[in-house]
Amino acid sequence: AQSVTQPDIHITVSEGASLELRCNYSYGATPYLFWYVQSPGQGLQLLLKYFSGDTLVQGIKGFEAEFKRSQSSFNLRKPSVHWSDAAEYFCAVGGTDSWGKLQFGAGTQVVVTP
Amino acid sequence: ETGVTQTPRHLVMGMTNKKSLKCEQHLGHNAMYWYKQSAKKPLELMFVYNFKEQTENNSVPSRFSPECPNSSHLFLHLHTLQPEDSALYLCASSFTSGTDQPQHFGDGTRLSIL
Repeated sequence: AQSVTQPDIHITVSEGASLELRCNYSYGATPYLFWYVQSPGQGLQLLLKYFSGDTLVQGIKGFEAEFKRSQSSFNLRKPSVHWSDAAEYFCAVGGTDSWGKLQFGAGTQVVVTP
Repeated sequence: ETGVTQTPRHLVMGMTNKKSLKCEQHLGHNAMYWYKQSAKKPLELMFVYNFKEQTENNSVPSRFSPECPNSSHLFLHLHTLQPEDSALYLCASSFTSGTDQPQHFGDGTRLSIL
């Protein structure tokens, strides 16, 4: 079975500063990895996904993530955050043997200060 | 544009009431999901439907009863709920229930049990 850990429950970042959110996963084979964002009062929106190939993945809203097999990590980054990036971010992992069953992390709440 | 619409957005009910949550998707997807999102806990998968057939029941109590009359509509019938069932209930859909298929989420129904 797969599992995912987001070590940071809460991160505060200044507008214009860089942001990195950590995600560590556990899965025996190459996983399917996703990052979702949830703004207050809304559902989850897909930012990006990784299945195979280039380990640096570009997503929407200027986000990117890097898959590092040796570290079992899939960290999300943005070079310069905007106030609208304040939200909760979820990493999710799935595998070829877990039809439709994504395992979500507990989420990281991002606060953006002026 | 989410493509996945959930109604109602908010629901307050007593423990002896019966109510239903509705989800509708206009994305041409064939798989639909119910998730429970509680504060401080990871997203919990409840049910998965693929081409109207239930393929996953994640040990959900029988007081939650899903119904999927066609690939575009999903219901969650509620009866005799408990206070711990208060949460945000999210519906999602994907092209199929394969784990490599990105899931598209609705904005959820905020359920409060009195």
